[in-house]
Amino acid sequence: AQSVTQLGSHVSVSEGALVLLRCNYSSSVPPYLFWYVQYPNQGLQLLLKYTTGATLVKGINGFEAEFKKSETSFHLTKPSAHMSDAAEYFCAVNHLRGALNFGKGTSLLVTP
Amino acid sequence: KAGVTQTPRYLIKTRGQQVTLSCSPISGHRSVSWYQQTPGQGLQFLFEYFSETQRNKGNFPGRFSGRQFSNSRSEMNVSTLELGDSALYLCASSLGFLAGGRQETQYFGPGTRLLVL
Repeated sequence: AQSVTQLGSHVSVSEGALVLLRCNYSSSVPPYLFWYVQYPNQGLQLLLKYTTGATLVKGINGFEAEFKKSETSFHLTKPSAHMSDAAEYFCAVNHLRGALNFGKGTSLLVTP
Repeated sequence: KAGVTQTPRYLIKTRGQQVTLSCSPISGHRSVSWYQQTPGQGLQFLFEYFSETQRNKGNFPGRFSGRQFSNSRSEMNVSTLELGDSALYLCASSLGFLAGGRQETQYFGPGTRLLVL
């Protein structure tokens, strides 16, 4: 089965600082990888996804992620954090049609 | 286009009761997936329906069941509720047509928060 591991359950950054959220995957087949964000009392919103092709994927709200096969990683970055980025972030791999395997999530705190 | 809608948004039940949750997918989407989110276990896949047929199922007991109607709306049912069933239940929809299908984006609803007392 395919799985993902998110390193760091809590990450704190200052407003304007670089955001780096880590995700490593395990897969015996080419993975399809996703990053979702969840704001309090809401569902999940897709930030970006990697399927095939370009390994640097740009998403919404200034986020991007790079697929590195050699490192089995798909880390999420944003050059400059904004207060509104505070939320829970989930990395996921689609191991069966319609079935996402999620990481445990990383809670991002942005301080003024 | 309207997003995925789930009803009700909040629900309180007691142990032993049963509950039915409803999900309306985005118009044109034929695949509906259900997930359970708890602080301890995180997000876990329950099952996925496409064209009224269950295609995939997660590792949950038989008390958890679902169905899909011809208009792609889906319901999930939990019978004989236990305290541990307290969770946020999320529904997601996707087109469901792509060959293989693993690269399709799933669009999530706001969830139904179930509290079992």
